[in-house]
Amino acid sequence: DAKTTQPPSMDCAEGRAANLPCNHSTISGNEYVYWYRQIHSQGPQYIIHGLKNNETNEMASLIITEDRKSSTLILPHATLRDTAVYYCIGADYGGATNKLIFGTGTLLAVQP
Amino acid sequence: NAGVTQTPKFRILKIGQSMTLQCAQDMNHNYMYWYRQDPGMGLKLIYYSVGAGITDKGEVPNGYNVSRSTTEDFPLRLELAAPSQTSVYFCASSPTTGTSNLGQFFGPGTRLTVL
Repeated sequence: DAKTTQPPSMDCAEGRAANLPCNHSTISGNEYVYWYRQIHSQGPQYIIHGLKNNETNEMASLIITEDRKSSTLILPHATLRDTAVYYCIGADYGGATNKLIFGTGTLLAVQP
Repeated sequence: NAGVTQTPKFRILKIGQSMTLQCAQDMNHNYMYWYRQDPGMGLKLIYYSVGAGITDKGEVPNGYNVSRSTTEDFPLRLELAAPSQTSVYFCASSPTTGTSNLGQFFGPGTRLTVL
């Protein structure tokens, strides 16, 4: 599983876009980039995942660089409820176990 | 669907006591997982199961046991509780790999304190 590096914390103003970076320079060709978030004391929540193309769903957009060494999660209009720890994880989608290795993530604080 | 449910929500154990953390899912997922999360840290995988009757160790299995007799249930057993097992425990499930993947679904957690 790829090791990922994220900043420990970030601030964002309410209503603005939150851009959360992740470095995964050791990611292998068959590993997807997954993003989860964990709101205080709750279980993690899946946000989005991608391999090499940019992805968008109702929660967020995921931009992956062409060399796949880094990615950015974009929350287009952050709200106070988006305050959470965001985890970037490299995992083998086609693997036999779907195992996830969590790091310490980025604490995103959305400010009013 | 109730999703992933965990009981109890909170528990205090004395050193050396044993207990079972219950986890159930009603989404017919084959894959189930147990994680622990220590304060300020990310989640660490304890055990996982890819189907009924099949379990395997994760990163931190020592001091724990699991069983998977049905698709729905995946209990985690602590035999001799130690203070180092004070943590929040999360159970998760996911569909079989190769299908449309919405990631792992997590339960609300069990907060365990060992004194």
